[in-house]
Amino acid sequence: ETGVTQTPRHLVMGMTNKKSLKCEQHLGHNAMYWYKQSAKKPLELMFVYNFKEQTENNSVPSRFSPECPNSSHLFLHLHTLQPEDSALYLCASSLQIYEKLFFGSGTQLSVL
Amino acid sequence: QQQVKQSPQSLIVQKGGISIINCAYENTAFDYFPWYQQFPGKGPALLIAIRPDVSEKKEGRFTISFNKSAKQFSLHIMDSQPGDSATYFCAASLRNNDMRFGAGTRLTVKP
Repeated sequence: ETGVTQTPRHLVMGMTNKKSLKCEQHLGHNAMYWYKQSAKKPLELMFVYNFKEQTENNSVPSRFSPECPNSSHLFLHLHTLQPEDSALYLCASSLQIYEKLFFGSGTQLSVL
Repeated sequence: QQQVKQSPQSLIVQKGGISIINCAYENTAFDYFPWYQQFPGKGPALLIAIRPDVSEKKEGRFTISFNKSAKQFSLHIMDSQPGDSATYFCAASLRNNDMRFGAGTRLTVKP
């Protein structure tokens, strides 16, 4: 395993639901990331936290809300999502920002 | 937007052959070029990486070739095996600043 654990692995939600994705890293890393992975597209960076401070919000719609309570945990809160938000959501961490990212296995999200 | 362009989108190679995946970048300030390997149901995992001060880096059967003047780099997989079948992503990063990924190459190695 990579040392980055994501839960749940699969999530199906309706457009009016509220859910949260959780990520935990056991590597002592300082930076954590949320990426969106859609078929045949580059990985899309959504949010970056470095030493618990958000350093990047890549024009992500407000229906996605990140939370980083400490350097080991990262959450992505979801509400009123759209079907086009269906994708694999990957969490990653690194010791130094933007170098040697370690990814979790992702949460496969389906929005109905 | 600064992009990393990756080709081909998919690649089929016979067992024992050489797999070659290419990437091109735009921002000459990028200073770290990793390759990630992703198996179905898993997240990407760092495979090998290079910095622009060298033109080639080899780790086992995997080699990165880097051409700074052309702003291109490539991954070569020698003696390709069915277990190498996965999706490969190149990336380019600017330390402490940014990281961009290619769109991925799905490699299939036939027995």
